[in-house]
Amino acid sequence: GAVVSQHPSWVICKSGTSVKIECRSLDFQATTMFWYRQFPKQSLMLMATSNEGSKATYEQGVEKDKFLINHASLTLSTLTVTSAHPEDSSFYICSASTRMETQYFGPGTRLLVL
Amino acid sequence: GQQLNQSPQSMFIQEGEDVSMNCTSSSIFNTWLWYKQDPGEGPVLLIALYKAGELTSNGRLTAQFGITRKDSFLNISASIPSDVGIYFCAGQPNAGNNRKLIWGLGTSLAVNP
Repeated sequence: GAVVSQHPSWVICKSGTSVKIECRSLDFQATTMFWYRQFPKQSLMLMATSNEGSKATYEQGVEKDKFLINHASLTLSTLTVTSAHPEDSSFYICSASTRMETQYFGPGTRLLVL
Repeated sequence: GQQLNQSPQSMFIQEGEDVSMNCTSSSIFNTWLWYKQDPGEGPVLLIALYKAGELTSNGRLTAQFGITRKDSFLNISASIPSDVGIYFCAGQPNAGNNRKLIWGLGTSLAVNP
């Protein structure tokens, strides 16, 4: 149980294009989903917290117009990196949480912007 | 942002040895979680702790929620090569609607067969 998927697992795009990443909880309903960014050999950095049907709460320093988050249902959240630039290249990971506090993570999406 | 103090930063051990790592915080936490992350993958939950003093095992792994609620440790017994990876502690300082996790910087474990 508690399986979270992400799609795509990796993506290469040209600078200036937008990229959408999907996060799904496969066998449970997630009241809250989280989006993280991770640089090599570093810990996870929380970007935003989203609850189904409401606007995401962004961490300080994260541009909400740059990283659009939609939490359309209890099993799906999407992160869109708009007008991507090389500095947006990173490993993006989502997690999903139920009423308990534990977060279950997806396998991550590696983004490379050329 | 706030981070947990996780130590050691890295370990290189022989197969069969036991491993211990810990995390400390200056503030009280309501939940402690231990995750393992393999290269190119998302973190996988190993053990979740919800009560002060709680001691929980998962196979060769044992973790404890410190009685002061400001620390936790993870032990791995009889290490094997597949234990290689980065181990992260994470804690939640508040219950209820705020489910944000505070993370340690990770312990990188290498096991020599």
